[in-house]
Amino acid sequence: DAKTTQPPSMDCAEGRAANLPCNHSTISGNEYVYWYRQIHSQGPQYIIHGLKNNETNEMASLIITEDRKSSTLILPHATLRDTAVYYCIVRVAGGGSNYKLTFGKGTLLTVNP
Amino acid sequence: GAVVSQHPSRVICKSGTSVKIECRSLDFQATTMFWYRQFPKKSLMLMATSNEGSKATYEQGVEKDKFLINHASLTLSTLTVTSAHPEDSSFYICSAIGLAGEAKNIQYFGAGTRLSVL
Repeated sequence: DAKTTQPPSMDCAEGRAANLPCNHSTISGNEYVYWYRQIHSQGPQYIIHGLKNNETNEMASLIITEDRKSSTLILPHATLRDTAVYYCIVRVAGGGSNYKLTFGKGTLLTVNP
Repeated sequence: GAVVSQHPSRVICKSGTSVKIECRSLDFQATTMFWYRQFPKKSLMLMATSNEGSKATYEQGVEKDKFLINHASLTLSTLTVTSAHPEDSSFYICSAIGLAGEAKNIQYFGAGTRLSVL
């Protein structure tokens, strides 16, 4: 799986958009970008994933650059409950044992009141 | 999204005892389950991968006799920490992935089990 680079920490004001960047310059053509987050002392929570088109769901938006070497996760209106470590992971899609996730250090997003 | 249930959420045991942690996929068939370990302020570290009906594949450095994994059905995998010692104290997390529907492309995680060995 391609390696990803994320800033170790970011701050965001409550109610404002949180934009979390991720670099994945060695991504392969069949690899997707996945985002998970982990709130303190809980298991990781799936947020969103995409291949090359921008994606949006009820939690967030994912913007992937045209060359696919970087992406940005956008939380449109951050709340205090969005404070968590956010992980950007690149891997091929599908089921089975070949599709394990490799977690890096992620970005600690702190949403301030 | 799909739901993965992990039990217990917290366990405290004496040194030398064995502890079993259960991981269940509630609304999909989990052909593959993964077990992770996480130390304080560290990222998740994959311990092993288990496929239903077959032996688990352990990551390098993980003792298979220490961490017994069973994946006997498409909805249940168990991790048994045998003869637990204080250094086994950690946060253990399972995840599951299926071969159809939403769970095919997305790995869903349990809430984790915090093990404290006295």
